[in-house]
Amino acid sequence: GAVVSQHPSRVICKSGTSVKIECRSLDFQATTMFWYRQFPKQSLMLMATSNEGSKATYEQGVEKDKFLINHASLTLSTLTVTSAHPEDSSFYICSATGYNEQFFGPGTRLTVL
Amino acid sequence: AQSVTQLDSQVPVFEEAPVELRCNYSSSVSVYLFWYVQYPNQGLQLLLKYLSGSTLVKGINGFEAEFNKSQTSFHLRKPSVHISDTAEYFCAVSVRGNDGNSLVFGAGTILRVKS
Repeated sequence: GAVVSQHPSRVICKSGTSVKIECRSLDFQATTMFWYRQFPKQSLMLMATSNEGSKATYEQGVEKDKFLINHASLTLSTLTVTSAHPEDSSFYICSATGYNEQFFGPGTRLTVL
Repeated sequence: AQSVTQLDSQVPVFEEAPVELRCNYSSSVSVYLFWYVQYPNQGLQLLLKYLSGSTLVKGINGFEAEFNKSQTSFHLRKPSVHISDTAEYFCAVSVRGNDGNSLVFGAGTILRVKS
């Protein structure tokens, strides 16, 4: 089946720094990728829809200037958490659409100290 | 807008017993339905999906689900669970016919299999 990778799998950073998370579709092209956030013991919540070659669409309540999304190619989308704070600590999961299905990456655990 | 309700936050069950995880959805249009499993600190793995056709869908690891349009339900079942099935299970819906739509997830059900 289709594979989606995320890098890094885990990152710990200091408050105020920026962190970039990469999401790649390894064996298929994805014009649309999604970024989700999952807080402990909660479900996944959609943050934004990333479309190749255009600006991302953010869900209500998600700050676009804080969570920068770049979908530079058909196989790569990046999420940059700018000026991270402890409340941004979460599990970030990306997905890519293909074959009437979404394929999920393994997730990135972000811890902001 | 679509929404998904998973009625049980936790389901404890003994090994080799049957289990049903309940999922109801609301939508004014036709939808695709999915069940995902998430093991601790990992991403989501697709168990099964309903796109069209037969309302009984068989997935991996012995799981199956039945789409019931009149009851707007998509309950997940397994006739005999194993310890390794302990995980969190998410039901999700997306609008049918639009591959670019995101998924709306239920709150999740933690399945705890006891020996």
